[in-house]
Amino acid sequence: DAGITQSPRYKITETGRQVTLMCHQTWSHSYMFWYRQDLGHGLRLIYYSAAADITDKGEVPDGYVVSRSKTENFPLTLESATRSQTSVYFCASSEWDSYEQYFGPGTRLTVT
Amino acid sequence: GENVEQHPSTLSVQEGDSAVIKCTYSDSASNYFPWYKQELGKRPQLIIDIRSNVGEKKDQRIAVTLNKTAKHFSLHITETQPEDSAVYFCAATFGNQFYFGTGTSLTVIP
Repeated sequence: DAGITQSPRYKITETGRQVTLMCHQTWSHSYMFWYRQDLGHGLRLIYYSAAADITDKGEVPDGYVVSRSKTENFPLTLESATRSQTSVYFCASSEWDSYEQYFGPGTRLTVT
Repeated sequence: GENVEQHPSTLSVQEGDSAVIKCTYSDSASNYFPWYKQELGKRPQLIIDIRSNVGEKKDQRIAVTLNKTAKHFSLHITETQPEDSAVYFCAATFGNQFYFGTGTSLTVIP
């Protein structure tokens, strides 16, 4: 589990501000994922990446931007934060030939 | 996309009893069904998974069953212990994506 980290762990920001959540993994996993977790909705996929420079939308991508210039990093940017984006965000990774996903510790984001 | 429904949303059992959580999915092409356990304030952790070519899988006190025809799968926990108290999530694949159920909060009463 120590192989995937997220920063910051807690963040409070104001509506309209840009905020970037970082995800770093040391396993050289091909796949990386961003989820948001809200009460009553479980975990919902925002974006995922199959490899460096390859990203794709998930279930709830609106309002988010991702990039993946290096295999180990997968930042998630909220370009103009809204209150509806208050949530806990989890990053996850998996090997190219395995469905098993390993989750990071999460980032609790509050948009005021 | 996929639609995963999970029931019940909350479940309380006496220590030593069994607990069963059920999920249904909509996409018949789904071929991987993991179960995650999430303790309060922690990350989800995989506890067991099953692929579509298998009907049942066991790991000590935990088992998962899959009925492809009916498109449902279930988590069975036997001889429950207080440390089993957590939120459990099922998921089903749709291509490279996971679709999660909304979670079951399990409380094991000592």
